[in-house]
Amino acid sequence: KAGVTQTPRYLIKTRGQQVTLSCSPISGHRSVSWYQQTPGQGLQFLFEYFSETQRNKGNFPGRFSGRQFSNSRSEMNVSTLELGDSALYLCASSLADFSGNTIYFGEGSWLTVV
Amino acid sequence: AQTVTQSQPEMSVQEAETVTLSCTYDTSENNYYLFWYKQPPSRQMILVIRQEAYKQQNATENRFSVNFQKAAKSFSLKISDSQLGDTAMYFCAFEVNTGKLIFGQGTTLQVKP
Repeated sequence: KAGVTQTPRYLIKTRGQQVTLSCSPISGHRSVSWYQQTPGQGLQFLFEYFSETQRNKGNFPGRFSGRQFSNSRSEMNVSTLELGDSALYLCASSLADFSGNTIYFGEGSWLTVV
Repeated sequence: AQTVTQSQPEMSVQEAETVTLSCTYDTSENNYYLFWYKQPPSRQMILVIRQEAYKQQNATENRFSVNFQKAAKSFSLKISDSQLGDTAMYFCAFEVNTGKLIFGQGTTLQVKP
């Protein structure tokens, strides 16, 4: 069974640009969540989608958005990039029909903003 | 607000010895789930162990076990017979809502030969 797949793995963007990251969950998983990891702030929850609906949202500005498709694949978008958006972005998936399901993570997408 | 605190930024242990990583959390919920994740240098988060708050019995997975003290809101991870492959950053996490994890700041563990 394939794990959580994130693309691209590495990318470099310029301030002011926008970026789209993609995540394919484990087959059968309907929940996809996104996290930002930085040395200063640690791991922070961005948002979570379940069956194409955003079910939970973290405390990030509106420049960060996401969506989930009918096949459970998810994308997150960051517009008007800032230097502080440089981070490892982790996607995770789970069955999440109730709390306590194991949440599996992808290898992450490294974003560098210059 | 629900928070998770790991008070040990770095720890080291000799190979084959036992080490305990600390974690405390704060919540007003009665039923919830706690996790320990491992993040090796590859940066992929790997689930180590999971604990359901309504279960009194401490979870165990091979060399990994937890000491769950619900009243004290403490959730420590014990690694027995430490191996070089255990070198990683370890995160304690709390499931706030379904699919949403709150993480501690992490503990970097180095296993020395």
